[in-house]
Amino acid sequence: AQKVTQAQTEISVVEKEDVTLDCVYETRDTTYYLFWYKQPPSGELVFLIRRNSFDEQNEISGRYSWNFQKSTSSFNFTITASQVVDSAVYFCALSDGFSGGYQKVTFGTGTKLQVIP
Amino acid sequence: SQTIHQWPATLVQPVGSPLSLECTVEGTSNPNLYWYRQAAGRGLQLLFYSVGIGQISSEVPQNLSASRPQDRQFILSSKKLLLSDSGFYLCAWRDTGGEQPQHFGDGTRLSIL
Repeated sequence: AQKVTQAQTEISVVEKEDVTLDCVYETRDTTYYLFWYKQPPSGELVFLIRRNSFDEQNEISGRYSWNFQKSTSSFNFTITASQVVDSAVYFCALSDGFSGGYQKVTFGTGTKLQVIP
Repeated sequence: SQTIHQWPATLVQPVGSPLSLECTVEGTSNPNLYWYRQAAGRGLQLLFYSVGIGQISSEVPQNLSASRPQDRQFILSSKKLLLSDSGFYLCAWRDTGGEQPQHFGDGTRLSIL
């Protein structure tokens, strides 16, 4: 069975601090995909990034970076020099690699990030 | 480009009344469709998913139902709402394939009085 754990329920940082959101996953699939989504106060979920199980390269996009480590089953998300606009709930999700029909998606419980000005 | 529309944005309903939430997707064909519910301050609970017209799978037994009368239309319904049905309802779509991200609608905030 798939499982995604986001142990940090809420994090508060002061603006310009760096912050890392943790995500640990469990799966028996050899092919799988990991995602991060952002849910701002307005409510809609916004897709941020996808990672394939066979690609462990870390990725950087502006102030955002992602660290994928299969050895520890983790897919952590770091925001550098945080800004108030980063305040949101962040979800980590895991999708199986089944190529046809329905692919199960498992979400973590989310981490609420508050950036204090 | 693909878009997803979900309405209404907010809804206040009395206990025991019926419910119909609608979601439509444009710009893609044969998407996987999903209904999620999010209680205040909580994570996402998958309610229903659909891989094609008339094909609905339920993840959680409850007094809600879903239908997919057209390829890109997904409807969430209830005959009699309960207080526990309050929450934030999100519709999502994705192309077939585990690597595809889900794309979410703006959500419906449902309050039951």
